[in-house]
Amino acid sequence: EAGVAQSPRYKIIEKRQSVAFWCNPISGHATLYWYQQILGQGPKLLIQFQNNGVVDDSQLPKDRFSAERLKGVDSTLKIQPAKLEDSAVYLCASSLERRGHTQYFGPGTRLTVL
Amino acid sequence: SQQGEEDPQALSIQEGENATMNCSYKTSINNLQWYRQNSGRGLVHLILIRSNEREKHSGRLRVTLDTSKKSSSLLITASRAADTASYFCATDFTGANNLFFGTGTRLTVIP
Repeated sequence: EAGVAQSPRYKIIEKRQSVAFWCNPISGHATLYWYQQILGQGPKLLIQFQNNGVVDDSQLPKDRFSAERLKGVDSTLKIQPAKLEDSAVYLCASSLERRGHTQYFGPGTRLTVL
Repeated sequence: SQQGEEDPQALSIQEGENATMNCSYKTSINNLQWYRQNSGRGLVHLILIRSNEREKHSGRLRVTLDTSKKSSSLLITASRAADTASYFCATDFTGANNLFFGTGTRLTVIP
């Protein structure tokens, strides 16, 4: 089965610019997650979708970050405007259901904000 | 913080030796999972242990869980250079919607 796909793999932007990341989860997986992983730290959940509804976005900086999952499949995460501290790897993951299930991760997008 | 904490932060061993990493957490869990992350890549699920289980095995991996001490350990036996990676524990806390990842243990296996 195909894994979680993410694009782009790398992105370099200047502060105050906007950027968007795309994720295609494993087919049939109802739950989709976006994580932020700062260098040297573990992944931190930004937002969790169950189908096309938001389950948890308590850690999402909503003044600059937004995410959507149209039709309950693909998802996009946007940052506008970017700050220096947004430099990180953005990981997308999916799982069959929310609780007690393995999460499958994509390769991530490494964002550098200059 | 609800996240687990791994110990040690970094570990360097010779190929063929065993590697042990520990994870401690603070509140009740439904399950605890271990993930591996190779440099520049996404995370790969290794093993899930439920709160009513004490030990699980998967190939060269052995995970233990002590809910009374709120701790778990991951043992990799007969390590290989390819095991070089960061290892994270992730806790599924009772009442939480998602997993909380620790800061990881960076394992280096020297050929």
